[in-house]
Amino acid sequence: GAVVSQHPSWVICKSGTSVKIECRSLDFQATTMFWYRQFPKQSLMLMATSNEGSKATYEQGVEKDKFLINHASLTLSTLTVTSAHPEDSSFYICSAPPGTGLYEQYFGPGTRLTVT
Amino acid sequence: SQKIEQNSEALNIQEGKTATLTCNYTNYSPAYLQWYRQDPGRGPVFLLLIRENEKEKRKERLKVTFDTTLKQSLFHITASQPADSATYLCALGPEDSSYKLIFGSGTRLLVRP
Repeated sequence: GAVVSQHPSWVICKSGTSVKIECRSLDFQATTMFWYRQFPKQSLMLMATSNEGSKATYEQGVEKDKFLINHASLTLSTLTVTSAHPEDSSFYICSAPPGTGLYEQYFGPGTRLTVT
Repeated sequence: SQKIEQNSEALNIQEGKTATLTCNYTNYSPAYLQWYRQDPGRGPVFLLLIRENEKEKRKERLKVTFDTTLKQSLFHITASQPADSATYLCALGPEDSSYKLIFGSGTRLLVRP
């Protein structure tokens, strides 16, 4: 089946620094990818839709200047958390639909971000 | 706005029994409803998708029903095993061609040996 990877799996950074998370589709091309964040014991909250070759679409309440998304190729989307603060500590997960009429999504393993 | 409800309390059952999880929704007309499994510290894994014109879908020990009149889906795991213990997420959508999904908060299933 379709495989999505994320890197890094966990990261610790200091407050005020930026951190980049990569999401790759390994065996299929993804013109669209999604970025979610998940707090403990809560569901996935969609942050933005990443579109290959165009600007990302952000959900209401998500700061686009803080969470920079770049979908540079058909297999790679990156999420950069800029000027991170402790409240940005969360579990970030990306997903991609395999397309071709299939509507299920394949998720990456997630990235645990801790901002100290 | 759309609302999805899943039982927030954990479902605790004995191995071998059938687990039944419920997903209710309002203010939405999804073309599809999907179920995912999520283990702690991991990304969700796709299990089943059912279309709005389908009443029931099966895959091995899994069965999903979809009642668009009641706006409800039931997710069954027959002959449950301890390895089935996880959080199960209901997701609506997409409603259009955007592929966007709306997730419920999930129900944690615990299967006792």
